[in-house]
Amino acid sequence: GGIITQTPKFLIGQEGQKLTLKCQQNFNHDTMYWYRQDSGKGLRLIYYSITENDLQKGDLSEGYDASREKKSSFSLTVTSAQKNEMAVFLCASSIGTGYEQYFGPGTRLTVL
Amino acid sequence: GDSVTQTEGLVTVTEGLPVMLNCTYQTAYSDVAFFWYVQYLNEAPKLLLRSSTDNKRTEHQGFHATLHKSSSSFHLQKSSVQLSDSALYYCALSYQGGRALIFGTGTTVSVSP
Repeated sequence: GGIITQTPKFLIGQEGQKLTLKCQQNFNHDTMYWYRQDSGKGLRLIYYSITENDLQKGDLSEGYDASREKKSSFSLTVTSAQKNEMAVFLCASSIGTGYEQYFGPGTRLTVL
Repeated sequence: GDSVTQTEGLVTVTEGLPVMLNCTYQTAYSDVAFFWYVQYLNEAPKLLLRSSTDNKRTEHQGFHATLHKSSSSFHLQKSSVQLSDSALYYCALSYQGGRALIFGTGTTVSVSP
């Protein structure tokens, strides 16, 4: 088995601030994802990475940057936090695209 | 484009009664797989069921679903719900070569005593 760790669990920032969320997995999975979870809107894909050093934009990438520093870690940066971005951000990993994904516990973002 | 539709945002059901959560999809691909994820309050979503075989019933933890390609559906059912089944349920689609799972908007199940 494995585990996905997301830090921090809660992130509070000011409007306009640059904020970074981190994700680590020990499944040895190639593919990692960042989703944003808003009530009633499901899970929307922000960025994904097929393998180390790869980055692919999802449907909601505007306003975000991502970095796949190594196989086990995937970071997401909110470039300029806005109040309408308050949500839970979920990281996931899988052995490849289209396969079952394993999720982390999430980071809840609050923008003041 | 490809999409997954979950029509109910909230389903309320009494303990011991059956429940069915609807999931329909649109895709041009024939080599597809479907997933049901369950997310309990303040926890990560986790896989409940997976299927890629047409007309084959898949079961786990008392839940079951059957992929019906003829009607583009993968509904989730349970014959007798428990209080502990209260959660958010997501249906998702994948296809070979696809970039990521395509999720529906989710259905919250609230089970009352």
